[in-house]
Amino acid sequence: AQTVTQSQPEMSVQEAETVTLSCTYDTSESDYYLFWYKQPPSRQMILVIRQEAYKQQNATENRFSVNFQKAAKSFSLKISDSQLGDAAMYFCAFVQGAQKLVFGQGTRLTINP
Amino acid sequence: GAVVSQHPSWVICKSGTSVKIECRSLDFQATTMFWYRQFPKQSLMLMATSNEGSKATYEQGVEKDKFLINHASLTLSTLTVTSAHPEDSSFYICSAREGSQNEKLFFGSGTQLSVL
Repeated sequence: AQTVTQSQPEMSVQEAETVTLSCTYDTSESDYYLFWYKQPPSRQMILVIRQEAYKQQNATENRFSVNFQKAAKSFSLKISDSQLGDAAMYFCAFVQGAQKLVFGQGTRLTINP
Repeated sequence: GAVVSQHPSWVICKSGTSVKIECRSLDFQATTMFWYRQFPKQSLMLMATSNEGSKATYEQGVEKDKFLINHASLTLSTLTVTSAHPEDSSFYICSAREGSQNEKLFFGSGTQLSVL
């Protein structure tokens, strides 16, 4: 069974600085998708970024980028120029085909003004 | 992006009563929807997969008779918590799948259930 591990329960960063959230996963599949979701205090799940496993190029969305290391089964999220609105729970997730979406335990990110 | 509407946002009920939560895909058809439960400061836990026109598939440990799921149309799935008890108090979130694969999932805004 696929598993997703986020080893950092909490992280904090100064406003305008850069922070990296870690995620590792375990699968025997070669074709799958990885995601980072943001859950702010409103608890709405917001898709931050998506990576397709067969694409070598790391996905980017404005200030958010990933470092996808397929061989190492690592999928970290880098947030540049951190803003107060980035404060939230961040969940790493994995899905393969029609299988269920598997979430990591989450990382609570605090932005210090 | 696609929109999934979930209602109500919060509900308070007395122990022993039943509560229905709706999940609607507003601008796409969703043959498959998912129901999650989330406890404070924890991750989302999949409860069941809702399939249009057929029975839901429940995850291990989830009581089928306690959490009734109906997916009668391509845009609506409902979760009914029957004979609710305080331990059923939780945050419930739905997601709807666009297409046949799970790389396009859209989430509802969630429902906070409090059972007195």
